[in-house]
Amino acid sequence: AQKVTQAQTEISVVEKEDVTLDCVYETRDTTYYLFWYKQPPSGELVFLIRRNSFDEQNEISGRYSWNFQKSTSSFNFTITASQVVDSAVYFCALIRNAGGTSYGKLTFGQGTILTVHP
Amino acid sequence: EAGVTQSPTHLIKTRGQQATLRCSPISGHTSVYWYQQALGLGLQFLLWYDEGEERNRGNFPPRFSGRQFPNYSSELNVNALELEDSALYLCASSLGLVSQPQHFGDGTRLSIL
Repeated sequence: AQKVTQAQTEISVVEKEDVTLDCVYETRDTTYYLFWYKQPPSGELVFLIRRNSFDEQNEISGRYSWNFQKSTSSFNFTITASQVVDSAVYFCALIRNAGGTSYGKLTFGQGTILTVHP
Repeated sequence: EAGVTQSPTHLIKTRGQQATLRCSPISGHTSVYWYQQALGLGLQFLLWYDEGEERNRGNFPPRFSGRQFPNYSSELNVNALELEDSALYLCASSLGLVSQPQHFGDGTRLSIL
């Protein structure tokens, strides 16, 4: 079975601070995909990034960056120079690239509530 | 491009009633997924439909059911509603491959009185 753990329940920062959201996962599969989603107060889950298990290259998109380390089963997300608009719940998720009872199912972490104060 | 649309936004029912939630996927997407986000329980996978067929379902009782129509839109039906069914129900769509990102709608907030 798959499991995703986001140990940080809530994080509070002041605008312009950098913040890292941690994600640790468990899976027996060798091929899988990892995702980050943002859920603003409106409720919609917004897709941020996908990473496959064979691609450990880090990625940067504007103020967002992701660090994937297969050796530690971690997929951490850093926001540089945070802004009030970054306030949301952030979810890390995993999906296996194979059949079985988990086929097609995104396994989510419990989410991290990020509050950025002005 | 229109995103995933869900209706209604809010739904209020009483115990024992039946609820129907609707979802229209992004144009070109053949897969529709349903998730339940209940307070304190996180996001739980409910159902996956692709090309009109149910491909997988999560650990939910049979009173949770659904279908996918030829135009790829989907309905989620919940029978014999119970208080613990109160949750945000999120629909997502994708291109049908598990590697493709699932794109979510705004959800339907179901409240059971």
